[in-house]
Amino acid sequence: DVKVTQSSRYLVKRTGEKVFLECVQDMDHENMFWYRQDPGLGLRLIYFSYDVKMKEKGDIPEGYSVSREKKERFSLILESASTNQTSMYLCATVRGSSYEQYFGPGTRLTVT
Amino acid sequence: QKEVEQNSGPLSVPEGAIASLNCTYSDRGSQSFFWYRQYSGKSPELIMFIYSNGDKEDGRFTAQLNKASQYVSLLIRDSQPSDSATYLCAVSASSGGGADGLTFGKGTHLIIQP
Repeated sequence: DVKVTQSSRYLVKRTGEKVFLECVQDMDHENMFWYRQDPGLGLRLIYFSYDVKMKEKGDIPEGYSVSREKKERFSLILESASTNQTSMYLCATVRGSSYEQYFGPGTRLTVT
Repeated sequence: QKEVEQNSGPLSVPEGAIASLNCTYSDRGSQSFFWYRQYSGKSPELIMFIYSNGDKEDGRFTAQLNKASQYVSLLIRDSQPSDSATYLCAVSASSGGGADGLTFGKGTHLIIQP
């Protein structure tokens, strides 16, 4: 059974703080993704990674960076959190050319 | 700008009837198409994917793809109250599935009335 875990279900941070969101998968999947989900805007791709130390920008990378030092772990970094980054953040993985993308449980981040 | 359009609903369907969910996409180069189900407060879960024109059936679910019309649909037969959820349509430009990430529609809220 594929397991994708995220470090926190709920997180409250202050404006200007540096925020780390962590995602860990246990299935040796090559590809990992970070999305955010907002009411009325749907799910939007922030960054993704094909492999260790590889990263690609998604549709809305501004204000975010990522790190992938190990295959199983993909971190999303908010260098200086802002209130417009309040959102549900979802991590996902997919194995190579498989069609199945598995999502983690999500982290609801509130920036005050 | 790649766009995926869905009617937000809510779409209300009586129990036992067929629910029909529709999706259009703007990128003619899209290769793979996905339907996800998302219950309130939960993360999306994959129901079906399709990449060839025509129909694909899996149990009570049928996905239909028409690339010429840039149209994807999901039919749910014998709808059950447990099917009440938001259904997300997603597309990928990658022929290998979602390896490059997916572009999602905003979802259709489906309500199955007992």
